[in-house]
Amino acid sequence: AQSVSQHNHHVILSEAASLELGCNYSYGGTVNLFWYVQYPGQHLQLLLKYFSGDPLVKGIKGFEAEFIKSKFSFNLRKPSVQWSDTAEYFCAVNAVGTYKYIFGTGTRLKVLA
Amino acid sequence: DGGITQSPKYLFRKEGQNVTLSCEQNLNHDAMYWYRQDPGQGLRLIYYSQIVNDFQKGDIAEGYSVSREKKESFPLTVTSAQKNPTAFYLCASSRVPGRRTNSNQPQHFGDGTRLSIL
Repeated sequence: AQSVSQHNHHVILSEAASLELGCNYSYGGTVNLFWYVQYPGQHLQLLLKYFSGDPLVKGIKGFEAEFIKSKFSFNLRKPSVQWSDTAEYFCAVNAVGTYKYIFGTGTRLKVLA
Repeated sequence: DGGITQSPKYLFRKEGQNVTLSCEQNLNHDAMYWYRQDPGQGLRLIYYSQIVNDFQKGDIAEGYSVSREKKESFPLTVTSAQKNPTAFYLCASSRVPGRRTNSNQPQHFGDGTRLSIL
């Protein structure tokens, strides 16, 4: 069965610090990968997605993620976080050809001004 | 603007009562989904539908029911059989894979409905 692990449940950073959130999945076939963000009081929004091609994908608001197939990982990064990045971040995996999306348990990020 | 509308935003249920959560989309998406979000557990799939008049159980379908009579609408009923219904419920939709690619499109989410037990 597919599963997604997000290792960090809570992360606290100061503004301008670098961010890396881990995401690992278990599935042997071809996958589509996503990162979503949920700002306080708002709905989930797509940050970035990987379907194929360049394993380094860039998303909105300066976020990027790297797909490392050999490690089954899709870690999210941002060189310098801002207070407005305070939110909950979810990694999601979809097996190609299926309609099911599996979400990780989420990481709550708090950025201190 | 296209999007997904969930209503109501807050809902209260008495013990033994069924309640129905509404989800409407005007994105012309074929696929629709219901998730339950609990603290520390992320999003768990309740039901999903690939096309009108068809739907499949997700990972935690017990105590829930759905219908898909129209492309735009995918209501979720939380029945009295659901013993722990207090949660945040999210509806989502997506396009289906194109003919030239197997890649699914990202999901679009509604604002959610928070259900509480009285």
